Order: sequence, then C-alpha cells, then structure tokens
Amino acid sequence: AQTVTQSQPEMSVQEAETVTLSCTYDTSESDYYLFWYKQPPSRQMILVIRQEAYKQQNATENRFSVNFQKAAKSFSLKISDSQLGDAAMYFCAYRGYNTDKLIFGTGTRLQVFP
Amino acid sequence: DTGVSQDPRHKITKRGQNVTFRCDPISEHNRLYWYRQTLGQGPEFLTYFQNEAQLEKSRLLSDRFSAERPKGSFSTLEIQRTEQGDSAMYLCASSPGRGRVTKVYEQYFGPGTRLTVT
Repeated sequence: AQTVTQSQPEMSVQEAETVTLSCTYDTSESDYYLFWYKQPPSRQMILVIRQEAYKQQNATENRFSVNFQKAAKSFSLKISDSQLGDAAMYFCAYRGYNTDKLIFGTGTRLQVFP
Repeated sequence: DTGVSQDPRHKITKRGQNVTFRCDPISEHNRLYWYRQTLGQGPEFLTYFQNEAQLEKSRLLSDRFSAERPKGSFSTLEIQRTEQGDSAMYLCASSPGRGRVTKVYEQYFGPGTRLTVT
C-alpha cells in the first residue's frame, strides 16, 4: 500500500524568506501523481502544485516550486518570498495512475512571521 | 462557478443517532469524492462516484456508512448509529474527471461538515 510521510509537524518562516517543506512517499508504482494542498485555518483545501511522476522537470507555480526526486521518493515544496497569507496547513498527497483516490500525509503547519 | 458546497457545516449529535450530510459539486463535474479528516491528520479517502456509479469504496467505510449520488449531481453521506469515533470533518470534493488537460485531474474541495458525536 502507498504511504505518504511528512516529518515536519510545524515549520516557521519570516516574511519574504524561503522555506522548504518535506514529503516522502512509498509506492511500487512507476506512474503516479504528487500534489501539495494548502488548508488555511477554517477554509477549504486548495491545490498548490502538482507533479506527474513521468516528468523529470520540477513543477513551478509562481512562488511555489517542488524538488521531485523519484528514485529517493521525495517530493519537497519550496515557498519563496513567503507571505503572511501562506500561513496554513500543507498536505502532501499521492495519487496512483489508475485511481482517483488521494493519499495524504499528516500535514505541516506553516507559520509566517512578519 | 460557485464551488463545492456542503450542508450542514456543523452537526452535533448524540451517540446512536443517524446523520446525513449533503454535498453539491461544481456543476458539470462528473466525479465526486468523500474524505474524512480527524484532528491532526490528513484527509482519508472514503469513496468516490463517477456520475451516479460508486467506483471505489475504502475499507474505512463500515456498514454504518452509506453514500449515494442518485442523479449524478449532489451526493449524500449517511452515518447510522453514530459513535464517538465518527467525530471528524467530512470533506467532499469534485472533479471534471479524467482527460488530457492537466487541470482536469484537480479535485476541488468543499468547506467540510464538522461532525461532533457526544
């Protein structure tokens, strides 16, 4: 069975600085998708960034980028120029190629200090 | 596009009672998902539908849980004989389904229904 591990329960960063959130996963599949979701306090979860496993190039979305290491089964999220609005729970998620089921990690709470 | 909506947003019930939650997906999204999120954990998959067909169901979904999507639009999740362990946030998400466009794979989440069983 696939598993997703986020080993950092909490992280903090100062505004305008860069922070990296870690995620590792375990799977025997060769094709799959990886996601980072953001869940602000009392608000709904939104997709931050996604990565297809067959793509070697790391995904980027504005200030958000990933470091995808397929062999190491690692998928970290880098947030550059952190803003107060980035404060939230961040969940790493895995999805197999032939299913819609998302498997989430336990999350990392990110605090942003002015 | 008004987003995924869920009703009620909060529900407090006594152990042993039945509860039903409703999810309205984004219009024209043919896939609908249910997840459960307990405090301090990530969401756990429960089940999902393609139109009215229930395609996959987690082993977490015991006999006390049933989900329906009778006309392929809104969905209901019913929990019978609630237990304290059922206390959680129940999240619904929808998706346009599979295709070749990248964004088609995204699941859009609703605000959730927070269930408290006393």
